[in-house]
Amino acid sequence: DAKTTQPPSMDCAEGRAANLPCNHSTISGNEYVYWYRQIHSQGPQYIIHGLKNNETNEMASLIITEDRKSSTLILPHATLRDTAVYYCIVRVIGGGADGLTFGKGTHLIIQP
Amino acid sequence: GAGVSQSPRYKVAKRGQDVALRCDPISGHVSLFWYQQALGQGPEFLTYFQNEAQLDKSGLPSDRFFAERPEGSVSTLKIQRTQQEDSAVYLCASSLAYRDGYTFGSGTRLTVV
Repeated sequence: DAKTTQPPSMDCAEGRAANLPCNHSTISGNEYVYWYRQIHSQGPQYIIHGLKNNETNEMASLIITEDRKSSTLILPHATLRDTAVYYCIVRVIGGGADGLTFGKGTHLIIQP
Repeated sequence: GAGVSQSPRYKVAKRGQDVALRCDPISGHVSLFWYQQALGQGPEFLTYFQNEAQLDKSGLPSDRFFAERPEGSVSTLKIQRTQQEDSAVYLCASSLAYRDGYTFGSGTRLTVV
């Protein structure tokens, strides 16, 4: 899977939108962008994924640039419970090996 | 069940002991994965099952690690002759379809003393 680059940490005020960037400049055409988060002492939680179109669900929005070399996860109204490590992962669908490759992620801290 | 269940939640083993960690995936989920997460690091892939077939075990760190899923549902990760470097959280995840996001369990925290 392609490598991703994320800032190690970010702060955001409660109630504001949290925008988490991810660079994946070597992404190939058959790789999806996935986002997971991990709250302390829990397993990772799936948030959203996309190929090239922007995606939105009840948790977040995913904005992927036209060249697909970067993306942004948006939590529209951050709450204290959104404090977690957020992982951006690119993954081949149908490529045989199916394991996700997690990096170190971004530690998002929501400030009251 | 509603989620992926792992047991035990915590396990302390003396060095050299064998341990077995259990994962109950979501009913009907075809794919099952095991990950190892060291303190302060992201999860690292260990092995992958599709039903009862172990399709990828490239992440297992040594031949002391063994995983099985004999009936395509419950899976067991076994570690023989545990070493201190095996101390980590072991996470299990399952998914219904290839493109879906995975559902992770809360993990088993293994401490080898």
